[in-house]
Amino acid sequence: DTGVSQDPRHKITKRGQNVTFRCDPISEHNRLYWYRQTLGQGPEFLTYFQNEAQLEKSRLLSDRFSAERPKGSFSTLEIQRTEQGDSAMYLCASSPRSGSGNTIYFGEGSWLTVV
Amino acid sequence: DAKTTQPTSMDCAEGRAANLPCNHSTISGNEYVYWYRQIHSQGPQYIIHGLKNNETNEMASLIITEDRKSSTLILPHATLRDTAVYYCIVRHLMEYGNKLVFGAGTILRVKS
Repeated sequence: DTGVSQDPRHKITKRGQNVTFRCDPISEHNRLYWYRQTLGQGPEFLTYFQNEAQLEKSRLLSDRFSAERPKGSFSTLEIQRTEQGDSAMYLCASSPRSGSGNTIYFGEGSWLTVV
Repeated sequence: DAKTTQPTSMDCAEGRAANLPCNHSTISGNEYVYWYRQIHSQGPQYIIHGLKNNETNEMASLIITEDRKSSTLILPHATLRDTAVYYCIVRHLMEYGNKLVFGAGTILRVKS
């Protein structure tokens, strides 16, 4: 499968614990996006990387959230001291810089449940 | 903020064409219209996009009005598997990062 890959697909954690999600974008896609989606809502933008540089962060990305893309390939999204309000699906997406209309392709998401 | 307006929900009979409208009256000349759909509990799936000409691919057709203020996504022969939330998104390709901004979308229910 050559699509966007996310791991783990599901995570249940206790309030206060830290969690980390990994995203492997489509090969040679240099743009990578993170979104969050809660039940009944459309996906909300969190942050965006071009290669290893994090170029935009939403105000939704509080201090407890950190995203990295150290070598411009895979990315991680860490949530520290999780809260029940962090329960959501975390979506990763990638796109090429040019060509094909810069179409953005999404992974299947990582579901987080904070208990 | 989303720049599009879509009906909250629509029903369609299986085998019939599903026509999903979208208003984007403030669209600018450098903005494309993108359509994605999201089947329950899955990530959004790209369907089609266009600038001003009508577009067709294996999944759907996109009809954009001449003034570009509205568009219609057409699923020619809807099946039960097409039941999903459909998002119409206006996206500026020259904007830095040009992320997708999702609205609430249209819930399409295909019924047998």
